[in-house]
Amino acid sequence: NAGVTQTPKFRVLKTGQSMTLLCAQDMNHEYMYWYRQDPGMGLRLIHYSVGEGTTAKGEVPDGYNVSRLKKQNFLLGLESAAPSQTSVYFCASSYPTLGANYGYTFGSGTRLTVV
Amino acid sequence: ELKVEQNPLFLSMQEGKNYTIYCNYSTTSDRLYWYRQDPGKSLESLFVLLSNGAVKQEGRLMASLDTKARLSTLHITAAVHDLSATYFCAVGYSGGYNKLIFGAGTRLAVHP
Repeated sequence: NAGVTQTPKFRVLKTGQSMTLLCAQDMNHEYMYWYRQDPGMGLRLIHYSVGEGTTAKGEVPDGYNVSRLKKQNFLLGLESAAPSQTSVYFCASSYPTLGANYGYTFGSGTRLTVV
Repeated sequence: ELKVEQNPLFLSMQEGKNYTIYCNYSTTSDRLYWYRQDPGKSLESLFVLLSNGAVKQEGRLMASLDTKARLSTLHITAAVHDLSATYFCAVGYSGGYNKLIFGAGTRLAVHP
């Protein structure tokens, strides 16, 4: 199984450009998440989804939009990129119940630089 | 609002020494996770702690949870270079949907 796959792995954008990050999971997980990682700040939740067709805001949603048209895919969009969005983006997925045997499965990350 | 504080943020250790990383959180939660991240890599799950007094051990790492003190510790015994990485604790929101709040991370460097 591939687990959680993120594309692209690296991207450089100019300020004002738009792009979409794709997250695909093959574990039939209901829940999916987008986090951003910045030095000294850990991971912060951008948006999440609890099922196909649903999305909700996390801690830092401004400047991002998401869609979950299919259960296995969760897309993160930047409509007009800003330098403050330079970060490493991680997608994760999970079953509805987190317990001893179930946690997040993370993707490998997308390193985005906005110049 | 749930906040998670880790300390120290940076730890330089000699091989063979012991040390503890602390994770404090501000409101009640029913689960706490420890993750490891190597430079340029994704996060790897180390431990899941679900109840007060829970203790988990894997090799030279041992994690514990005190829900009354809202404190988890990650203890490193006889450190080796391979343990060099960044360690994150993450605490679950009580409101559901498995949302996690992460600490800032502790960057551990083990040297001879």
